[in-house]
Amino acid sequence: DAGVIQSPRHEVTEMGQEVTLRCKPISGHNSLFWYRQTMMRGLELLIYFNNNVPIDDSGMPEDRFSAKMPNASFSTLKIQPSEPRDSAVYFCASSGRTSGSVNTQYFGPGTRLTVL
Amino acid sequence: QKEVEQNSGPLSVPEGAIASLNCTYSDRGSQSFFWYRQYSGKSPELIMFIYSNGDKEDGRFTAQLNKASQYVSLLIRDSQPSDSATYLCAVNSGGYNKLIFGAGTRLAVHP
Repeated sequence: DAGVIQSPRHEVTEMGQEVTLRCKPISGHNSLFWYRQTMMRGLELLIYFNNNVPIDDSGMPEDRFSAKMPNASFSTLKIQPSEPRDSAVYFCASSGRTSGSVNTQYFGPGTRLTVL
Repeated sequence: QKEVEQNSGPLSVPEGAIASLNCTYSDRGSQSFFWYRQYSGKSPELIMFIYSNGDKEDGRFTAQLNKASQYVSLLIRDSQPSDSATYLCAVNSGGYNKLIFGAGTRLAVHP
């Protein structure tokens, strides 16, 4: 069974450009989470969805960030316009009723974003 | 503000020793507790979870939970250099499977 899939794995862009990160959750999971990780701030929850509906976006740093989940198999995180301080590793995670723990989150490999 | 606190480390232990990692949390309503391991440049991976007070063992790993003291720990027996990583404690918060993560403890196991 495939785990959480993220693309691209690496993204290098210039300040001001639009960046779109993609995530495919584990089949059957009904919750999806977007995180950002930096050395300074650790792992930060940006937004999460339940049954494709955004539940809490209070972690989204600015209006430049937006996320969508058009169906149970796909989500995007968009940054427009991007800034150098957005450089980080962005993780997508999903969870559902597996392994006896509905809360267990499984992480994708991450997208390493560098904004020049 | 619901919080999960961990000592950032590094925690340095010799190979073969027991490594003890600790975590405290603020939300008394939390019901499930998780330990993740993250190697440098990789994503967090689940080691184990625990719901009930007491100990839960899985191979060389033991999770301990004390809800009265709001304290979770992870013991790694017979530590190996391959255990060197950052260990993240996470606690469920509210509904919808949301977890609050600690900042992580870096473990270094030296030969």
